[in-house]
Amino acid sequence: QSVLTQPPSVSAAPGQKVTISCSGSSSNIGNNYVSWYQQLPGTAPKLLIYDNNKRPSGIPDRFSGSKSGTSATLGITGLQTGDEADYYCGTWHTSLSAGHNWVFGGGTKLTVL
Amino acid sequence: EVQLVESGGGLVQPGGSLRLSCAASGFTFSTYWMHWVRQAPGKGLVWVSRINSDGSTTTYADSVKGRFTISRDNAKNTLYLQMNSLRAEDTAVYYCARDPRRDGYLKDWGQGTLVTVSS
Repeated sequence: QSVLTQPPSVSAAPGQKVTISCSGSSSNIGNNYVSWYQQLPGTAPKLLIYDNNKRPSGIPDRFSGSKSGTSATLGITGLQTGDEADYYCGTWHTSLSAGHNWVFGGGTKLTVL
Repeated sequence: EVQLVESGGGLVQPGGSLRLSCAASGFTFSTYWMHWVRQAPGKGLVWVSRINSDGSTTTYADSVKGRFTISRDNAKNTLYLQMNSLRAEDTAVYYCARDPRRDGYLKDWGQGTLVTVSS
């Protein structure tokens, strides 16, 4: 069970918009930047968004990120069948017991109907 | 072009050991923090460990603390993960990843290497 909560699945039709949420706490999202990763079937994860809302070179502006308080959101517009993948949020988590460690959300499977 | 190539995975018996390697190229390896992340079959990503640029600082997930050791050889541009006392639940694809700044994010990933712990 991850400290970051994502919906297990979302779906939408081609051309539509979808959002994926990532809920945490003040120990993680509330005090750290959030990044998002896309994992296409059978491939390694790929960075989509970093520092809450920045896109690496080569990532289309159909992908966007935002953060408010202890939650973050990934948005994808103009959905394409090629966007079908698992999406993960990630950030740093600080606790007295475990120290300062990286954590991922449980992942969200996007289906483009 | 940044390249991270993992190797060393394979089949090992419970209680056994394995050392993974991650060969880095296309960037100045000695100046970047590095991570290991794993993914059990059909499951999500789980962070395993990180190491700072000169190897003096390491951090581990509770699930591997005391059993796994992360290290690096900056002269060889290689990251390592020594895995001891392996358990069935350690079965996963192991990825190395580059952190572009201290406590940043996971910018570049390798293709992964599969570790299977089974008798």
